[in-house]
Amino acid sequence: GAVVSQHPSWVICKSGTSVKIECRSLDFQATTMFWYRQFPKQSLMLMATSNEGSKATYEQGVEKDKFLINHASLTLSTLTVTSAHPEDSSFYICSARDHRGSTDTQYFGPGTRLTVL
Amino acid sequence: GENVEQHPSTLSVQEGDSAVIKCTYSDSASNYFPWYKQELGKRPQLIIDIRSNVGEKKDQRIAVTLNKTAKHFSLHITETQPEDSAVYFCAAGGGGNKLTFGTGTQLKVEL
Repeated sequence: GAVVSQHPSWVICKSGTSVKIECRSLDFQATTMFWYRQFPKQSLMLMATSNEGSKATYEQGVEKDKFLINHASLTLSTLTVTSAHPEDSSFYICSARDHRGSTDTQYFGPGTRLTVL
Repeated sequence: GENVEQHPSTLSVQEGDSAVIKCTYSDSASNYFPWYKQELGKRPQLIIDIRSNVGEKKDQRIAVTLNKTAKHFSLHITETQPEDSAVYFCAAGGGGNKLTFGTGTQLKVEL
């Protein structure tokens, strides 16, 4: 149980285009999902908290107009990187909180490697 | 907000030896402390967690200890094996709030 999928696993795009990343909880409902960014050999940096049916809460320094988050259902959250630039290239990972047991346990998706040319 | 420090950043041990990774946190309201293992290019995997009402928790070769007064917690891996080689992250949070992650420890188990 507690499986989280992410799609796509990798994407290459041209500068100026937008990219959408999907995060799904496959066998549980997740009212809260989190989006992280991870640079090589660095820690997980929380970008935003995604709550089903409401606006996402962004961390300080994260541009909400650039990183659009939508949590339209209890099993799906999407992150759209708008007008992507090379500096947006990174490993993006989502996690979902499983409320069936602990209200705090987060399970991670496999990540999406974004390369902006 | 919460601040989590993790040490050491790299740790090399001989197979069969024990490994200890330590973390400190700043927010006394934090009550949930998970540990994740991340292999290169893969997702972080939850390996063990502890809540503030417990001082120690063990799962086979892995144990976590928590000193709430001193605001520090540690991961102990005994009888290390090559497959334990990975990056380990501690985190602090709880109460339905976000997790703050440590900077990670690269563990290398040498034959």
